[in-house]
This record gives sequence, structure tokens and C-alpha cells, in this order.
Amino acid sequence: EPEVTQTPSHQVTQMGQEVILRCVPISNHLYFYWYRQILGQKVEFLVSFYNNEISEKSEIFDDQFSVERPDGSNFTLKIRSTKLEDSAMYFCASGSEGDSEAFFGQGTRLTVV
Amino acid sequence: RKEVEQDPGPFNVPEGATVAFNCTYSNSASQSFFWYRQDCRKEPKLLMSVYSSGNEDGRFTAQLNRASQYISLLIRDSKLSDSATYLCVVNMNYGGSQGNLIFGKGTKLSVKP
Repeated sequence: EPEVTQTPSHQVTQMGQEVILRCVPISNHLYFYWYRQILGQKVEFLVSFYNNEISEKSEIFDDQFSVERPDGSNFTLKIRSTKLEDSAMYFCASGSEGDSEAFFGQGTRLTVV
Repeated sequence: RKEVEQDPGPFNVPEGATVAFNCTYSNSASQSFFWYRQDCRKEPKLLMSVYSSGNEDGRFTAQLNRASQYISLLIRDSKLSDSATYLCVVNMNYGGSQGNLIFGKGTKLSVKP
């Protein structure tokens, strides 16, 4: 069964450092998303990406965040200068045309120290 | 202002019990509705979509009341494996994109032998 894969599963980084979280969406999907979930909190939308550009972003997705689809398979989330409050589980998701279901990857647990 | 609101639980029920979860959403423009399931420290997984006519999938029944902005999930004959957090999710479906998924904080279910 096709699945969304994310790497790494766990990343520890020092405050102020840049991190790149990587995702390989399901191959025929056209919509890509990043969500985050702070421990004990709800899943929060960060950004959606379609046709090689951001289609929507939340208030959380400020100038410290960026997304990229560098090639035909990867979808990355970059945090330029991490803060302690960026510590969370980051989920990548993808969806196909005309289907509102999103398929989630297993997540990357980011710990900022 | 909470966009999707759920009783956090936990609901502790014996095997075989019937349990019902409720959810309310604040934005009347919401277009699509879902129940996701999330196991501890795992990614959300789609359980079922929710339609105005109501829909059933085995032991699970979902209902949507657009007038009241209310969504429900009924689990019959609960199993130990049903223990998880159940997430109420709405989708705004802006324009041609799928929009972002707005998650409730989830209702925790624990099924005991």
C-alpha cells in the first residue's frame, strides 16, 4: 500500500539552528501539507502546497518557515532558526485531485534544546 | 474561539460497550467532515468521512447535522483495539484546493477487558 514517508523520525537540534524535515508523498498525489502537533495539543495546519506553490498557510507558518519541492518526489519543510517552542511532531500529508482525504506520514519528532 | 470542539474524555468503557462521541464546529462554511483516529505518538489515520445522510462502516456510525454544526461518532460492540484518540476534523475546501484540515483536540477512548 502506498504511504507517505518522513525522515528523520526524530531530530534533536540546538536553538537557533536550521532544520530541514523531509517527506516523500504518495507518488501520484498533487496536494502536499505540513502539520504539527505539540505534545498533548491538537494537530495544527501549517501549510498546503499545490502546483509548485503555497496555496494556503496558517498564522504559525511565519518567515522562519519555508517549504520546497526540490524534485519530483521530495517535499521539505525548513525552519530557519529554531526556537524551543518549535518542539513538536511534524506531520507531512498528501492528497490526490478531487479527494479531500489527506494521508499522513508517521511524523518527525523535532526536539529543540 | 475554538473552531472544532470535542469532549477530551477519557471515556473508559468495557469491551462490548457502545460509546458515542460528539463534536461541534464553529464555521458554517465548512465543507467536508471526518473522523480520524490517532494512536499514542502516531500519525492521524482516516476512520471515516461524515455525510449529512449519515454513514455506517461496520461497527462505526457517523452523523452530521449542518444546521446545528454538530458531528457524532457511534462505536458499537467496542474492542480493545478501539482504544485510541478520536479526532473530529473539518475541511474548508477553499477554491480549487482541498483547503486545510482543522482538527479538534480529540476524545480519548480506553476500552478495558
